[in-house]
Amino acid sequence: SQQGEEDPQALSIQEGENATMNCSYKTSINNLQWYRQNSGRGLVHLILIRSNEREKHSGRLRVTLDTSKKSSSLLITASRAADTASYFCATDSWGKLQFGAGTQVVVTP
Amino acid sequence: SAVISQKPSRDICQRGTSLTIQCQVDSQVTMMFWYRQQPGQSLTLIATANQGSEATYESGFVIDKFPISRPNLTFSTLTVSNMSPEDSSIYLCSVEDEAGLNYGYTFGSGTRLTVV
Repeated sequence: SQQGEEDPQALSIQEGENATMNCSYKTSINNLQWYRQNSGRGLVHLILIRSNEREKHSGRLRVTLDTSKKSSSLLITASRAADTASYFCATDSWGKLQFGAGTQVVVTP
Repeated sequence: SAVISQKPSRDICQRGTSLTIQCQVDSQVTMMFWYRQQPGQSLTLIATANQGSEATYESGFVIDKFPISRPNLTFSTLTVSNMSPEDSSIYLCSVEDEAGLNYGYTFGSGTRLTVV
C-alpha cells in the first residue's frame, strides 16, 4: 500500500520557474527519498534525506523534511524542459520502500 | 552505483500465458526488489528476493502468481503467471545502492507488459 500522499498531482510551469511538490507519510522512517521517472521508464534516484536532517541540497534540488508533521517537499529551481517527468517520494522504513502517488510535472519552453 | 540490465523492455502477451522478466546486476547485492506499477499509478512492492531463500511477498501478492528466482547474488527473475489483462503494468526490479554516496536505490529500466 502507498505510504502517503503527494500534492499536487500535476504541475505545469514554464522554463525558468520553480516547481514545488509536497509529500506526506504515515509511519516513522529511516529516510525519505525522491525519484524521477521519465515516460513510464525506470526510476532515477534524485536525493535522500535522513530522518535527522531537515534540509538538503543537490544542484537545483532542495529537499526539506519535517518529521513532526511527517511531510517533505521537493523544490526544483530554474526548471528546464528536461525536468518534465513524474516525481515520486519514497519512505524507507528499515529496508522497505513505500512510494507516494507521484506528481506529474510538465515544463514548457 | 550499481547498473541493472532488465529484459525484456516490453512485451505483449496473450491471456493465460506466462512471462519471465530478468534482472542482471553488475555487482553482488544481498537483496533485490520487484515492483509493479499499474497504469497511471505509483509503484507497489511485490516481493523481496534474497539469494538462497524463498522470496518474501507483500500483502496481495502470492508466489503462485509471481514466482521469483534468485540463483545468485547478481541475478533474479520474476514470472507473471496465467496472465490476465489486469496484469498489464510496468514491472521493475531494484537494488539498494550500498556503494553510492546517497545510498538510494537503483532501478532497472522496467518491463512494460500488455496482456491482451
